[in-house]
Amino acid sequence: AQTVTQSQPEMSVQEAETVTLSCTYDTSESDYYLFWYKQPPSRQMILVIRQEAYKQQNATENRFSVNFQKAAKSFSLKISDSQLGDAAMYFCAYRSLGYYNQGGKLIFGQGTELSVKP
Amino acid sequence: DGGITQSPKYLFRKEGQNVTLSCEQNLNHDAMYWYRQDPGQGLRLIYYSQIVNDFQKGDIAEGYSVSREKKESFPLTVTSAQKNPTAFYLCASRSRASSTDTQYFGPGTRLTVL
Repeated sequence: AQTVTQSQPEMSVQEAETVTLSCTYDTSESDYYLFWYKQPPSRQMILVIRQEAYKQQNATENRFSVNFQKAAKSFSLKISDSQLGDAAMYFCAYRSLGYYNQGGKLIFGQGTELSVKP
Repeated sequence: DGGITQSPKYLFRKEGQNVTLSCEQNLNHDAMYWYRQDPGQGLRLIYYSQIVNDFQKGDIAEGYSVSREKKESFPLTVTSAQKNPTAFYLCASRSRASSTDTQYFGPGTRLTVL
């Protein structure tokens, strides 16, 4: 079975600085999707960024980018020019495209709580 | 506005009661999901449905039941058999025909057992 691990329960960054959140996963599959979701205090889950495993190019969305290392099974999120509104819980998630697909379910890590200092 | 709505936002249940959480979407998505969120454990899949009148158990289905009579609606019932139902419940949906293949989430329901 696939697993997702976020080893940093809490992170802190100064406003306008850059921070990197770590995520590793375990799978025997070659094709899958990876996601980063943000959950602010409102608890609404918001998609931040998405990466297809077959794409070598790292995904970027404005100030958010990923470092996808397929061989190392690593998927880190970099937030540049951090803003106060970036403070939230961040979840890394995996989606199988094969046998373990289960209707496209997401497998989540435990989350990283990011605080932004003014 | 297109989106996913969940109600109620907060729900309190007495021991031995069944309660139903509502989830509605107007995104014309085929697939819908229920996740449970507990502190320090991320989200775990309870049930999912890929088409109307069909649904499948997820990883932690015991003590829960669902129905999918309409494409827009996927209610979750927390039965008295669920031993520890206090948690935050999130509903999600996904378009199987979409190239973006992304799940979108509702605002959630916080269930507390008194």
